[in-house]
Amino acid sequence: NAGVTQTPKFRVLKTGQSMTLLCAQDMNHEYMYWYRQDPGMGLRLIHYSVGEGTTAKGEVPDGYNVSRLKKQNFLLGLESAAPSQTSVYFCASSQTSSEQFFGPGTRLTVL
Amino acid sequence: AQSVTQLDSQVPVFEEAPVELRCNYSSSVSVYLFWYVQYPNQGLQLLLKYLSGSTLVKGINGFEAEFNKSQTSFHLRKPSVHISDTAEYFCAVSDRSSSASKIIFGSGTRLSIRP
Repeated sequence: NAGVTQTPKFRVLKTGQSMTLLCAQDMNHEYMYWYRQDPGMGLRLIHYSVGEGTTAKGEVPDGYNVSRLKKQNFLLGLESAAPSQTSVYFCASSQTSSEQFFGPGTRLTVL
Repeated sequence: AQSVTQLDSQVPVFEEAPVELRCNYSSSVSVYLFWYVQYPNQGLQLLLKYLSGSTLVKGINGFEAEFNKSQTSFHLRKPSVHISDTAEYFCAVSDRSSSASKIIFGSGTRLSIRP
């Protein structure tokens, strides 16, 4: 049981480049989330999904897109990366509102 | 809407001393409350959670927290800390009635343990 996994672990982009972060969970959870973590700001919700084929905006959605084509996967895309998107990105999943399970994170640097 | 305030961004303590990390929340609806821990270069791990029942909640690694509804607080405590407790701690809240299970996190408290 791997739990929540994220690919890649590290990435460096140049301004304007695009990339996709992959999150996978093997717990059959309905809900999945993407957060970004910046120093002194805790975790902020980017987008989330309440089930396969659904997505919704969180607190800081601008500059990101997501897709949930399969229940176990939640993709986060950056179409045109900006230095302000340098951050650590965490994916999480849950089945109820009582707990979320987090992945190990992806450290993204945009030059 | 909910919000979470962690009053201390950093808390330095000596090994084997007691510690309290403070958390206050704001919400117009009933909530669940959580403390998560993040060890260096790792993801977040659930330390403990308050869902209902007893207001004193015990978690992993000897931590406990007390839900105080009148003061809208959920402070985290440990009677004797160890070097291995060095980490960042996040208080969080979610709306009980929300089907989306969204969690709002505080800005975090960095606990540093001195030998």
